[in-house]
Amino acid sequence: GQNIDQPTEMTATEGAIVQINCTYQTSGFNGLFWYQQHAGEAPTFLSYNVLDGLEEKGRFSSFLSRSKGYSYLLLKELQMKDSASYLCAGFNNAGNMLTFGGGTRLMVKP
Amino acid sequence: DAGITQSPRHKVTETGTPVTLRCHQTENHRYMYWYRQDPGHGLRLIHYSYGVKDTDKGEVSDGYSVSRSKTEDFLLTLESATSSQTSVYFCAIKSGSYNEQFFGPGTRLTVL
Repeated sequence: GQNIDQPTEMTATEGAIVQINCTYQTSGFNGLFWYQQHAGEAPTFLSYNVLDGLEEKGRFSSFLSRSKGYSYLLLKELQMKDSASYLCAGFNNAGNMLTFGGGTRLMVKP
Repeated sequence: DAGITQSPRHKVTETGTPVTLRCHQTENHRYMYWYRQDPGHGLRLIHYSYGVKDTDKGEVSDGYSVSRSKTEDFLLTLESATSSQTSVYFCAIKSGSYNEQFFGPGTRLTVL
């Protein structure tokens, strides 16, 4: 199968920086998405990487290395409201399906 | 907000009964998806549609069927619900600058 792996849980302190990693099989995916999901709510789109490198969007940045099958989401200046699950998802080559990792539950503490 | 609604939002049913969940969109998107989300498994694709009457299976399609007779509606049917189908079901459409998927609010289904 086309596995996508990410840590199950992470804890960080308000105001700090946290990096959430995602690894995947390099064949079969063309692009990587990150979604945020608060408890009891639907996932919401955060970022998309199709080329190698860093994409920055305010406090959130996402990085992709296609040759290494590796991505990360970087959250800066953490706020309590950033406590949520973060889902990594790979776009298949046909561009019509996403495969999700299990999600990383981030807890931000004061 | 991509104009996606799901109904019902909550349902409790008994094993062996048929259940149909509805996803409705108002913006004429071609692609629609049904996922289930369970602890420890993340989001898993059940079925998707790429147009009226055009559907295909996803990763966990056993025990589920879908229909799309109109662009705006994508129905997910559990012919005979089982307790293993207790889950949160999300509908999604594909849109946006990156063809990202936008999700509906979800349906929490409990099969007793």
